[in-house]
Amino acid sequence: DVKVTQSSRYLVKRTGEKVFLECVQDMDHENMFWYRQDPGLGLRLIYFSYDVKMKEKGDIPEGYSVSREKKERFSLILESASTNQTSMYLCASSSPAGGETSYEQYFGPGTRLTVT
Amino acid sequence: AQTVTQSQPEMSVQEAETVTLSCTYDTSENNYYLFWYKQPPSRQMILVIRQEAYKQQNATENRFSVNFQKAAKSFSLKISDSQLGDTAMYFCAFMKNQFYFGTGTSLTVIP
Repeated sequence: DVKVTQSSRYLVKRTGEKVFLECVQDMDHENMFWYRQDPGLGLRLIYFSYDVKMKEKGDIPEGYSVSREKKERFSLILESASTNQTSMYLCASSSPAGGETSYEQYFGPGTRLTVT
Repeated sequence: AQTVTQSQPEMSVQEAETVTLSCTYDTSENNYYLFWYKQPPSRQMILVIRQEAYKQQNATENRFSVNFQKAAKSFSLKISDSQLGDTAMYFCAFMKNQFYFGTGTSLTVIP
């Protein structure tokens, strides 16, 4: 079974703090993604990466950055947390094109971040 | 950017009955993938079913099947013989270069 783990299920931070959300996958997937999930808005893509040290902006990258130093690990960074970044954050990984499971995303359990 | 629309924010169904969740999308692409994901309460998001746009045959996974209408850009999910464990948020997703998700449909199965 594919396993995607996230460092914390719940996190409470103060405005202005630097926040690190870690994600690790054990299936040797090339592709990794960070989403935020808000009621009524579904999942919105923040950043994604198709290879080590590679990153691409998604639909809502403002206020976030990412790091991918190793294939299995993809970190989301909030440089200076703000209250409007209170949300559920989901990490996902997938294999690239080719094969029966192409592009299927496997999700972590999520981190519910509250910024006060 | 592609858009994915799920017009039913909430639905309910009696146990053992059949329910259909709707999804439409907007794209000018010809080749792409479509997915339905399920997120049970306080649990991890999991894949329910996938469909490649180049395949005319509708995908089926046990009690879950899709009605893929490419010309109409419609991708509905049918759940047969609904079970209590089907209670969840369901997300439709379109994939071409990146994923685009709908806003979700909250399904409640009533005993």
